[in-house]
Amino acid sequence: SQQGEEDPQALSIQEGENATMNCSYKTSINNLQWYRQNSGRGLVHLILIRSNEREKHSGRLRVTLDTSKKSSSLLITASRAADTASYFCATAFGTSGSRLTFGEGTQLTVNP
Amino acid sequence: DAGVIQSPRHEVTEMGQEVTLRCKPISGHNSLFWYRQTMMRGLELLIYFNNNVPIDDSGMPEDRFSAKMPNASFSTLKIQPSEPRDSAVYFCASSLEDPRNEQFFGPGTRLTVL
Repeated sequence: SQQGEEDPQALSIQEGENATMNCSYKTSINNLQWYRQNSGRGLVHLILIRSNEREKHSGRLRVTLDTSKKSSSLLITASRAADTASYFCATAFGTSGSRLTFGEGTQLTVNP
Repeated sequence: DAGVIQSPRHEVTEMGQEVTLRCKPISGHNSLFWYRQTMMRGLELLIYFNNNVPIDDSGMPEDRFSAKMPNASFSTLKIQPSEPRDSAVYFCASSLEDPRNEQFFGPGTRLTVL
């Protein structure tokens, strides 16, 4: 399975600190995506990074991709209590017609 | 755009009853996905459609589950007969063109089977 595996499973930090979550996968990918899920809600897409990209930024989010290590990281800078949520990575195979495979998620808690 | 619409938002039923969940994808999206989420098993893909055609239904748990997409703007997921272990949150998502693209999720249907 090429399912992404997030690390850590849970992370608790103080407001203002940075939060780093990691994702590892097993096979070649077309792209890797990060999603956020607030309690009781659907997943919301945060950022997509393609296999030929190494880093992407979106506001306070920074995503890196290392295809040689088959891993990605999501960094949230200057965290806020509102960032409390579960964060999932999702990987897409390189072959056309395949679909995303989601990991089990990291539960982030940002304490005010 | 209203986003992906799911109904009902909550469903409570008794074991053995038929349950039908509904989804309206974002207009113009041609890939549609049904997921199930539980604490024990996480987020599982049940089935996905591309241009109204089922492409991968390997995640459908058993014959009690069936899904249809009669047109580009509507899909159903049916469970018959329902069992307590079917209790979960069921999400519908859609994406534009390639199913590897960004997915837009609906708010989910929380199903409780007593």
